[in-house]
Amino acid sequence: GQNIDQPTEMTATEGAIVQINCTYQTSGFNGLFWYQQHAGEAPTFLSYNVLDGLEEKGRFSSFLSRSKGYSYLLLKELQMKDSASYLCPAKAGTALIFGKGTTLSVSS
Amino acid sequence: KAGVTQTPRYLIKTRGQQVTLSCSPISGHRSVSWYQQTPGQGLQFLFEYFSETQRNKGNFPGRFSGRQFSNSRSEMNVSTLELGDSALYLCASGTGNTEAFFGQGTRLTVV
Repeated sequence: GQNIDQPTEMTATEGAIVQINCTYQTSGFNGLFWYQQHAGEAPTFLSYNVLDGLEEKGRFSSFLSRSKGYSYLLLKELQMKDSASYLCPAKAGTALIFGKGTTLSVSS
Repeated sequence: KAGVTQTPRYLIKTRGQQVTLSCSPISGHRSVSWYQQTPGQGLQFLFEYFSETQRNKGNFPGRFSGRQFSNSRSEMNVSTLELGDSALYLCASGTGNTEAFFGQGTRLTVV
């Protein structure tokens, strides 16, 4: 079957580093995305990994291991505005398969 | 560049009615996907259209249907509405090969 697992909630302090893990099981795997979604808003694209390794984009980095079915999103120098839900959908064929997301709360 | 536009933003319907939601993709995008988001289930894939053809369908009953027009705009229809259909319906557009860009969604409430 298709399954995405992420921690439900995480908390961190402003200025810190946090790693959000994601494991997946999908057929027809064609890459893994990370999206950020603030309450009441549309998900916004953060990163896309299709090959193994680390992709860095400013304060955000994403890692993928296809053999382990594992990805993580690393957020550095956390800011209050990073408080949001983080989604790691796997692309299976032409569909995005989502888990329930990780709600990150950043406190001062 | 205009983003993905979904209309209406909010909708209240009665059980048993039907509803049509609209999605205008980013100019040049030929892929449009639809998702249902609920607090309990998260985002669930409904279907994906590319150049007017449904390429992929999720695990939803036949009451959920969609179509795509030649200008890439898409509509989804839900017939015989049930209370459990209350959700945020999100549409996403893309080229079909890379990331999907989401609209603000239509919040459907069935009473």
